[in-house]
This record gives sequence, C-alpha cells and structure tokens, in this order.
Amino acid sequence: QVQLVQSGAEVKKPGASVKVSCKASGYTFIDYYIHWVRQAPGQGLEWVGWINPNSGATNYAQKFQGRVTMTGDTSISTAYMELSSLRPDDTAVYYCARVLIPRAQRWFDPWGQGTLVTVSS
Amino acid sequence: EIVLTQSPGTMSLSPGERATLSCRSSQTVSRNNLAWYQQKPGQAPRLLIYDASSRATGIPDRFTGSGSGTDFTLTISRLEPEDFAVYYCQHYGSSSPTYTFGQGTKLEIK
Repeated sequence: QVQLVQSGAEVKKPGASVKVSCKASGYTFIDYYIHWVRQAPGQGLEWVGWINPNSGATNYAQKFQGRVTMTGDTSISTAYMELSSLRPDDTAVYYCARVLIPRAQRWFDPWGQGTLVTVSS
Repeated sequence: EIVLTQSPGTMSLSPGERATLSCRSSQTVSRNNLAWYQQKPGQAPRLLIYDASSRATGIPDRFTGSGSGTDFTLTISRLEPEDFAVYYCQHYGSSSPTYTFGQGTKLEIK
C-alpha cells in the first residue's frame, strides 16, 4: 500500500536549521508531487510548498521563500524539507503528503504521520 | 488572495444526526479546485472530497460534497462515532499556484 514515513521529532534552537525526511513506498516515487504542510499546536493547516521528484522543480509559499528548501533522492524514494533560520513560531507538526493523481499538483492523499519540530532556546 | 471561511467553528451533534458544514470563499472558485479533509486528534489529515463532490477512495457514501461559486458544503448524512473530528476545506489556485485551507470546523459529540 502507499505509505509515507517521516523522520522523528526534532528540537532546535532559534536560528538553527532542521531537515525532515519523508520516505515513500508502494508507488513510483517520480510520478507524484510531494507537498509539505505544517500545523502549529492547536492551529489549522498551512501549506509550505511542493517538489516534483521527477524534475526536482519546487514551488514554495511566499511566506517561506528564502528559508525553505525541498529536495528529493529518487534512489531511495525520499523527499526532504529543510527550514532554516528557525524561530519559535516555526514550532509545528510538519506533514508530507503525496498528490492524489500522477503529475498533478493538487489534492493531498495520502499524508505522512507528521514530524514535530520544536524551536526553543 | 482567496480566504476560506468555515462555519460553524464548532458543531455539537449526536450520532445518527445529519451534519452540514459550510465553507465560503472570498472569491468565486472553480468546483474543480475545492476539497475537504478530515483530521482526528493526533492523526494526519485525510482526504474526503476533491473537485467539490468526488469522494476519495474508501470514503463512505454518507459523506457528500456540494456547492459552487463561493459556497460549498460538506454533508454527513448520519453521523457515526468515528466521524467526530475537525474538518478543513481547501482551495487550489492554479495561477501561482496556491493552496489555502479554511480554519476548520470541529464536529464534537453532544
């Protein structure tokens, strides 16, 4: 079955960087965009960006441009999201999600289990 | 920038009742660009409805999406205990592209 498994929780200090991984299985990795969405504690969902694993093309929400980098390693079917210059308000659960339809950009299904990133001094 | 407003913020109903959740857009949107997700505590969201009215794989037919223009609705015909969760609508904007979520509706047991 299609599955996305994310790396474990991270605790970082303000100003540091974090890199979260998302390992895909059960489908052809290069055929589906991967999105990243975050959720601050007790809050709603916020889109961060996507990567096309086939081409490496990326698209980031304007809010995160300059601080986020999304990459993919097709040899191990894994996507990565790196967020730099961390601030306490970056504390959130970060989800990766595959798109529903090959080579399309919208509708997220399925999702990874989430990775809690805590930014605290 | 499109803003999605969901109402009510919290809805208290009993199992077996009908739930009607609203998602209103600040601008007219295409039906093909609206989806609904369900999120239970401690879990990742799950896609329920895409293209405004298409059920995702494995979603029971008690979940129905409808609407057009600026007003969209998620209806749960007869609530099951496992349906009590937070529901989010989402818009896909192809021009940038952008992915905007509503603030969510919490459906709780009365």
